[in-house]
Amino acid sequence: QLQLQESGPGLVKPSETLSLTCTASGGSIDRSSYYWGWVRQAPGKGLEWIGSIYYSGNTHYTPSLKSRVTISVDTSRNQFSLDLSSVTAADTAVFFCVRHLNLPDSFDYWGRGILVTVSP
Amino acid sequence: DIQMTQSPSSLSASVGDRVTITCRATQDINNYLAWYHQRPGKAPKLLIYDASTLQRGVSSRFSGSGSGTDFTFTISGLQPEDIATYYCQQYDALPPTFGGGTKVEVK
Repeated sequence: QLQLQESGPGLVKPSETLSLTCTASGGSIDRSSYYWGWVRQAPGKGLEWIGSIYYSGNTHYTPSLKSRVTISVDTSRNQFSLDLSSVTAADTAVFFCVRHLNLPDSFDYWGRGILVTVSP
Repeated sequence: DIQMTQSPSSLSASVGDRVTITCRATQDINNYLAWYHQRPGKAPKLLIYDASTLQRGVSSRFSGSGSGTDFTFTISGLQPEDIATYYCQQYDALPPTFGGGTKVEVK
């Protein structure tokens, strides 16, 4: 059974880069034709797709964040990562890592989520 | 971006009641619609995809229907563990987008 687990700092200062990692267990990122992505949820708000990476390394980002987002994959560690630069308080959210088969698609596996607060 | 509008934004029902949530897209999404529920403090869980296909392992009291731009999600007999916020999501076009959510409470 695939499990996804987010990790990273829970507090980031304004203007800095938010960096998170998602570790997959119970399945291999590079041996399956899946996309691996990130979805965020601001406190008390709805869900927003940030972007995804194919196991081969091709990336796709939501237009509103494209200039600040980088998603990468490290198959040797069975991990993929999110970098969001120049953060502001508006980027405070719970960040979920997800898996999906096609692009776009529904998200069939989710990590538990990690709260990242942007504050001085 | 395709906008997804859910209604109602919240509802309260009794155990055993039939509960219906609607989701409307701003354009035809070819049945590429999913439904999730999110229990407090947890990650969303995929319940239905392709508008009406039940995800493996999900209770059959959940069902979905609709086509084009208008979709419906139904809980056939509400249970206490169904307390959650329910979201629809389209995946016909990039970026995938979610509805604003429907908070379901039990009376």
